[in-house]
Amino acid sequence: GENVEQHPSTLSVQEGDSAVIKCTYSDSASNYFPWYKQELGKGSQLIIDIRSNVGEKKDQRIAVTLNKTAKHFSLHITETQPEDSAVYFCAASISRGTSYDKVIFGPGTSLSVIP
Amino acid sequence: DAGITQSPRHKVTETGTPVTLRCHQTENHRYMYWYRQDPGHGLRLIHYSYGVKDTDKGEVSDGYSVSRSKTEDFLLTLESATSSQTSVYFCAISYSGTSGIYNEQFFGPGTRLTVL
Repeated sequence: GENVEQHPSTLSVQEGDSAVIKCTYSDSASNYFPWYKQELGKGSQLIIDIRSNVGEKKDQRIAVTLNKTAKHFSLHITETQPEDSAVYFCAASISRGTSYDKVIFGPGTSLSVIP
Repeated sequence: DAGITQSPRHKVTETGTPVTLRCHQTENHRYMYWYRQDPGHGLRLIHYSYGVKDTDKGEVSDGYSVSRSKTEDFLLTLESATSSQTSVYFCAISYSGTSGIYNEQFFGPGTRLTVL
């Protein structure tokens, strides 16, 4: 079945530096890739997403890139701030022609931004 | 924040006892989901619902059942809790279930369940 791997599992950066989280997926039929941020004690929240017909998407300090050939996608956070500290989940979604697209989440990356 | 509440937020129970977790939404979204979150596994789908009384299994459904008698409520039941079901459980909702602008999932705050 579909599998999503995510690396690293933990990441510490100095405030102002960049952070990169990488994910790979196994099913080439995956066509939608959301990223969620989970702050301590809270539910996850969508921060950015990308579709399979796009190679890169940017929203202020965060960007996501997608390489369909290699089946991997990455989250880039620039000018990190302490409030970026959280667990980040990547996910891959597959359209099955039904009313529900299967979404598989990666295991998560715990990002710590050191002031 | 999306109007999603989960109850209870914390629960400790013993092996073999039944447990019911409740998810309540005020957004009138059609889709509701139950996930469990464990270290090294991320979020794994237990069951989901695409309407009142319409539910389907996710990837880790064994040992769990769900019910949705009203649009706003989605219940997760562990008929006979086991230690392997110790986890953090998240409810989520979405307007749509297919890849599109309206299928963003909104998550509740989670329920931490410990089975002794």
